[in-house]
Amino acid sequence: EAGVTQFPSHSVIEKGQTVTLRCDPISGHDNLYWYRRVMGKEIKFLLHFVKESKQDESGMPNNRFLAERTGGTYSTLKVQPAELEDSGVYFCASSQMKETSEYSDTQYFGPGTRLTVL
Amino acid sequence: AQSVTQPDIHITVSEGASLELRCNYSYGATPYLFWYVQSPGQGLQLLLKYFSGDTLVQGIKGFEAEFKRSQSSFNLRKPSVHWSDAAEYFCAVGARGAAGNKLTFGGGTRVLVKP
Repeated sequence: EAGVTQFPSHSVIEKGQTVTLRCDPISGHDNLYWYRRVMGKEIKFLLHFVKESKQDESGMPNNRFLAERTGGTYSTLKVQPAELEDSGVYFCASSQMKETSEYSDTQYFGPGTRLTVL
Repeated sequence: AQSVTQPDIHITVSEGASLELRCNYSYGATPYLFWYVQSPGQGLQLLLKYFSGDTLVQGIKGFEAEFKRSQSSFNLRKPSVHWSDAAEYFCAVGARGAAGNKLTFGGGTRVLVKP
């Protein structure tokens, strides 16, 4: 079974440009999460999709970030326009729906996309 | 709000020696706890998780972790380290909720293994 894949693995852009990151979750996983690690800081939650719907986008830093998940399959995260502080590693994770509310889902992470904004 | 602290940013250990990585969390109820590892050039790999029950949890690659409610800790251990264990380790806490849960991560501990 293929794991979570992310594209591209690296992206270097100039301030003010637009970048789109893509995540393909594990097949059959309805939950999809985006996280980000800015250099020297913790990995932080950005948002959570359940199928094509945004369940929680409380971690999105500002309106320059737009996430979509068309058809409940792959997801894209667009940054427009990119700023220097957006540099970091963007992780995607996916999980199956929980059977009950008692247990947490187990999230499987992709390799990340390293974004550098110059 | 939940939070996770990993007090050690770097740890250097000799191959064959034991390893313990510390993790303290803050959460209002019994948390879901995870340890992930990131090897160079790789994504985050789940080592083990605690949901309920036995407080000593066994994971992959010979790792184990112990949940201590009284100390709000979930320390990771391995009795004998291999060179391939050189990586960055992340402790995370997840909230109990409905459809899914966002994870709150600690800052990570980078482990260097000396031959």
